[in-house]
Amino acid sequence: DTGVSQDPRHKITKRGQNVTFRCDPISEHNRLYWYRQTLGQGPEFLTYFQNEAQLEKSRLLSDRFSAERPKGSFSTLEIQRTEQGDSAMYLCASSPLTSGLNTEAFFGQGTRLTVV
Amino acid sequence: AQTVTQSQPEMSVQEAETVTLSCTYDTSESDYYLFWYKQPPSRQMILVIRQEAYKQQNATENRFSVNFQKAAKSFSLKISDSQLGDAAMYFCAYSWGAQKLVFGQGTRLTINP
Repeated sequence: DTGVSQDPRHKITKRGQNVTFRCDPISEHNRLYWYRQTLGQGPEFLTYFQNEAQLEKSRLLSDRFSAERPKGSFSTLEIQRTEQGDSAMYLCASSPLTSGLNTEAFFGQGTRLTVV
Repeated sequence: AQTVTQSQPEMSVQEAETVTLSCTYDTSESDYYLFWYKQPPSRQMILVIRQEAYKQQNATENRFSVNFQKAAKSFSLKISDSQLGDAAMYFCAYSWGAQKLVFGQGTRLTINP
């Protein structure tokens, strides 16, 4: 297992198009997170899965955004009708389910989205 | 709502010297975790060091140590014997309930040879 994998690494799309990103977490990690990072800022939480259940969604996640994690393995993040403001780095992270509060998250390299 | 503030957008240090990055946070919880993550240019974010709020002893990891002041809600990172490979964006982050991370705005650290 080489860590959290994200695909594609870069995506350029025209405004109004739909895009989909994929994240493959570390095997056996029950928790999966999506974050968005704009240039010069810290990552902002978008949504969180525990196995296949989506347990929390940020208010940043508008109706144009949808995320899934079928079968509790990989996850996809889809953005419909992209806008220039969606341009950002989309980061995926995973962590194991533990009995304590240990929340060490392992990050992928991200998908950089540019909307033109 | 929990917030994390990093008041130093940029810091620089001479190679082999020591540098301290500042972080403050706001929370009403008593049990939580604090983290420092490193994000090198065009590379993935990696965990540098972690502190459990219920532990009074400051965490250390080789050249990296923290100064955790719970009452002041302060969590600074000290890097000793700075190396060129330490150059990166450093993010302070907070987590509670084994869920999402709340990040600060980041500090860009430059190491001068």
